[in-house]
Amino acid sequence: EIVMTQSPATLSVSPGERVTLSCRASQSVRNNLAWYQQKRGQPPRLLIYDTSTRATGIPSRFSGSGSGTEFTLTISSLQSEDLAVYYCQQYDNWPPMYTFGQGTKLDVK
Amino acid sequence: QVLLVQSGAEVKKPGASAKISCKASGYSFTSYGLHWVRQAPGQSLEWMGWINVGNDNTKYSQKFQGRVSITRDTSASTIYMELHSLRSEDTALYYCARDLGRSAGNFHFWGQGTLVTVSS
Repeated sequence: EIVMTQSPATLSVSPGERVTLSCRASQSVRNNLAWYQQKRGQPPRLLIYDTSTRATGIPSRFSGSGSGTEFTLTISSLQSEDLAVYYCQQYDNWPPMYTFGQGTKLDVK
Repeated sequence: QVLLVQSGAEVKKPGASAKISCKASGYSFTSYGLHWVRQAPGQSLEWMGWINVGNDNTKYSQKFQGRVSITRDTSASTIYMELHSLRSEDTALYYCARDLGRSAGNFHFWGQGTLVTVSS
């Protein structure tokens, strides 16, 4: 099983800040990496797939980068509505054994 | 618009089975894969399995192999997930999620979630 490790576990941020979240895979997943945002009481929402492709309707302040085992989600200027938990997910295996990171929680500084 | 509407919350005793439904609308039902993902209280997300709705092919996480079954009813645009031999650790919110394609492996649309509580 590919283990996904996110850092940090919690990040205290202020509106307007540039925010960088990290995700590391225990082995290469090529560019088969997605990011999700989850707010309390809601299902996850896809932000980024294939490492850097924004999903439909996602604001341009969200961007993804990386390849292989190291990936980054960047929020260029944090908005208050971005306070949430963010998960990375790899989908490189077949037969599938998709795995998620443990999440990074963004809260108010 | 794409909608995935799941069945309501369930309370089950240890050893019982739970069967959850997910009704899809707003797109061609047989053209996309559907997955089940669960989330225990305060925990991360865990992929359980997938169905190619077009040809009924299924794949399951090794963790749940033998204990989970995903089926479809194309006439009702609905898939089902049945989990057997429930234990307290299965208490979680269960989501269905639609794939980008048939088996891309990323989840573009999500149902609202179904809470399954396992308690004696």
